Amino acid sequence: EIVLTQSPGTLSLSPGERATLSCRASQSLYTNYLAWYQQRPGQAPRLLIYGASYRATGIPDRFSGSGSGTDFALTVSRLEPEDFAVYFCQYYYTSPQTFGQGTTVEVK
Amino acid sequence: VQLVESGGGLAQPGGSLRLSCSGSGISFSSHHMHWVRQAPGKGLEYVSGIVRNGDKTIYADSVKGRFTISRDNSNNKMDLQLSSLRSEDTAVYYCVREEAGDWKPFDFWGQGTLVIVSS
Repeated sequence: EIVLTQSPGTLSLSPGERATLSCRASQSLYTNYLAWYQQRPGQAPRLLIYGASYRATGIPDRFSGSGSGTDFALTVSRLEPEDFAVYFCQYYYTSPQTFGQGTTVEVK
Repeated sequence: VQLVESGGGLAQPGGSLRLSCSGSGISFSSHHMHWVRQAPGKGLEYVSGIVRNGDKTIYADSVKGRFTISRDNSNNKMDLQLSSLRSEDTAVYYCVREEAGDWKPFDFWGQGTLVIVSS
């Protein structure tokens, strides 16, 4: 079973700053079937990135995904107020699917 | 596109609940569908999934043998029967659509229905 470990648990930043979130897999994800989701307070998650680096429909280009193998990252180039939220990674080439435990991006 | 969950509420330990998910504006039968839950203040936990035609189902170990997933494509509906409920089943349960195809990300989520298991 593949385990996804996200770090840091909490990231304290100011609007306009760059955020880099990490998702590390317990073994290589040869297919790069890695997704990122954003969950704002009181809302359902929404898909941001799939295939490790492809933005979902309607996602601003300040969001980017990168990585391969066991190490993946989500970068928000300049944080907007609405970007302060919880972010989850997911490996979807497995059944049942696996989620990381989440990273909270909070206002410093 | 809309996914609307219903059926959540308060249940006693050992009790049962039936959750439903109604889809509109989507080709329901074209998508594998899933349930994902989130305990209060916690992360996302995969619960169960069902393929497009309903022939195959998958369950997390934590719910296997207690929960049953089903779907009715003619009515754009998916259900999750929860039985032998435990306090650790307390969570918001999300109905989730997998993007069309196989081995795809979850491209649309309902707003969730809250299940509380308590005496």
